[in-house]
Amino acid sequence: EPEVTQTPSHQVTQMGQEVILRCVPISNHLYFYWYRQILGQKVEFLVSFYNNEISEKSEIFDDQFSVERPDGSNFTLKIRSTKLEDSAMYFCASSGDHRKLIDEQFFGPGTRLTVL
Amino acid sequence: AQSVSQHNHHVILSEAASLELGCNYSYGGTVNLFWYVQYPGQHLQLLLKYFSGDPLVKGIKGFEAEFIKSKFSFNLRKPSVQWSDTAEYFCAVNANNAGNMLTFGGGTRLMVKP
Repeated sequence: EPEVTQTPSHQVTQMGQEVILRCVPISNHLYFYWYRQILGQKVEFLVSFYNNEISEKSEIFDDQFSVERPDGSNFTLKIRSTKLEDSAMYFCASSGDHRKLIDEQFFGPGTRLTVL
Repeated sequence: AQSVSQHNHHVILSEAASLELGCNYSYGGTVNLFWYVQYPGQHLQLLLKYFSGDPLVKGIKGFEAEFIKSKFSFNLRKPSVQWSDTAEYFCAVNANNAGNMLTFGGGTRLMVKP
């Protein structure tokens, strides 16, 4: 069964450093997402991406964040200058073929980001 | 902005007990509703979803949920839980005017004692 994969599973970085979290969505999906979950808090939407551009983003997704689909398979989240409060589990998700706008989102296993 | 509340943070049941997990949302328009489950060490998986039609939806592993529009609720039920249902359960809502983004509830951690 196809699944969303994410690398690395755990990333430790120093405050102020740049990090790139990587995701490989399900191959025929067209919509891609990033969510995060700070320890003890809700899963929060960050951004959605369709047709090589951002379709929605939350208030959390400020100028420090960017997303990219550099090739036909990877979907990345970059945090330019990490802050302590960026420590969280980051989930990638993908959904949809061309026939369905709203459909189940398939989630990856997450990357735990720890900012020291 | 929409929000989702799950009132039970931790639930402990014995095997064969019935389960009902509450989910309420705040949004007056048309919504799409989801329940996701996260088993220990695994990723979020869809249990069931409601887009339209019959408000009683059946999902995998014997779970069902009922959409009650007047109560802004989408409670998850299972008549008889098993030890393997031990997991964290998340209700999520997509508002039709909010693109594809999901708004999640805080999750309910279910422990089923054998």
